[in-house]
Amino acid sequence: DAKTTQPPSMDCAEGRAANLPCNHSTISGNEYVYWYRQIHSQGPQYIIHGLKNNETNEMASLIITEDRKSSTLILPHATLRDTAVYYCIVSNDYKLSFGAGTTVTVRA
Amino acid sequence: ETGVTQSPTHLIKTRGQQVTLRCSSQSGHNTVSWYQQALGQGPQFIFQYYREEENGRGNFPPRFSGLQFPNYSSELNVNALELDDSALYLCASSFSGRIREQYFGPGTRLTVT
Repeated sequence: DAKTTQPPSMDCAEGRAANLPCNHSTISGNEYVYWYRQIHSQGPQYIIHGLKNNETNEMASLIITEDRKSSTLILPHATLRDTAVYYCIVSNDYKLSFGAGTTVTVRA
Repeated sequence: ETGVTQSPTHLIKTRGQQVTLRCSSQSGHNTVSWYQQALGQGPQFIFQYYREEENGRGNFPPRFSGLQFPNYSSELNVNALELDDSALYLCASSFSGRIREQYFGPGTRLTVT
């Protein structure tokens, strides 16, 4: 599976949009981009996934660049409950390998 | 709708012993995956079960084994425990038609002394 690179941490103001970047320059054509998050002491939570097109659901939006070498997860209106470690994963199947992720802290 | 549940919550074992961890899938889900999360690291895929058969395996030795039952619940068995097996063990269930969306349980914290 392709490797992903994420910033180790970022802060976000409550009520503002949080834009989480992910670089996956070695992604292959059949690999999906997945985003999960893990709130302290809980199991990971599925957020969204995509192949080529941008995707949106009730939690977030996923923007994938045209060359698919990077993506951005957008939390439209961050709340304190969105504080978590966010993982960007690239995989062509269900075998997810989580990296270190980005620790997102939402501040009041 | 019942989410993924795991038991026990915490467990302490001695090196060389065997352990069994249990997982109940989310209602309507027929696929179960197991992950190991060492302290400070992201979860790593151990294996997946579908229709009571192992359907894929990560880079874990054979002493990690599993079962899936007709009601889609699952067990993870680890033999000959080593100190490095200390970790949070996570179970995730999914529906075969939407296999890319995995729903995780709270995990079992295993400590090997």
